[in-house]
Amino acid sequence: NAGVTQTPKFQVLKTGQSMTLQCAQDMNHNSMYWYRQDPGMGLRLIYYSASEGTTDKGEVPNGYNVSRLNKREFSLRLESAAPSQTSVYFCASSVGLAGGSGYEQYFGPGTRLTVT
Amino acid sequence: RKEVEQDPGPFNVPEGATVAFNCTYSNSASQSFFWYRQDCRKEPKLLMSVYSSGNEDGRFTAQLNRASQYISLLIRDSKLSDSATYLCVVSNQAGTALIFGKGTTLSVSS
Repeated sequence: NAGVTQTPKFQVLKTGQSMTLQCAQDMNHNSMYWYRQDPGMGLRLIYYSASEGTTDKGEVPNGYNVSRLNKREFSLRLESAAPSQTSVYFCASSVGLAGGSGYEQYFGPGTRLTVT
Repeated sequence: RKEVEQDPGPFNVPEGATVAFNCTYSNSASQSFFWYRQDCRKEPKLLMSVYSSGNEDGRFTAQLNRASQYISLLIRDSKLSDSATYLCVVSNQAGTALIFGKGTTLSVSS
């Protein structure tokens, strides 16, 4: 029972490089999310997808793009990485949008990204 | 006022102690409330949802005061395994996302 999986677990990039963080869930959830967590800042929402085919900006979307490839997969792309994007990135999913209906969010194990 | 505020701690307590965490939120339109637990270098996991009537799950009791926009978590008979960061979580005004507090760190010692 995998739940939410993320790849890679760790990544080091140089400034200006691009990369895509992958996320997949096997719980048949409709909604998926990308967060970043920085020391002293808590979890901040980057983008979310309420359902397959839709994506919306969260609190800190600048410098990122997302793709909801299908119901299972939601990827996060950094086109030109910057040191300010050094963070731990978490993907999450829920049955429906968590905010309105109290649905639990299930998180992946995270990707630790360092941009030098 | 920040959207979700928590005392960062750390709270250092001995095994068997009772400890309480508090949280305030700024958006009176929020509809969903939770406590999540996050172990060091791990992902957050739901501890419990919080309801207006208050709810209990074993040694854990959560309370919500909508008028004061205040949420609490009480842990009784603390165990070593309770050591973690506890995140207060509230839905945003649009009901489309969750807003996470920065967390309160608990350390239980023997």
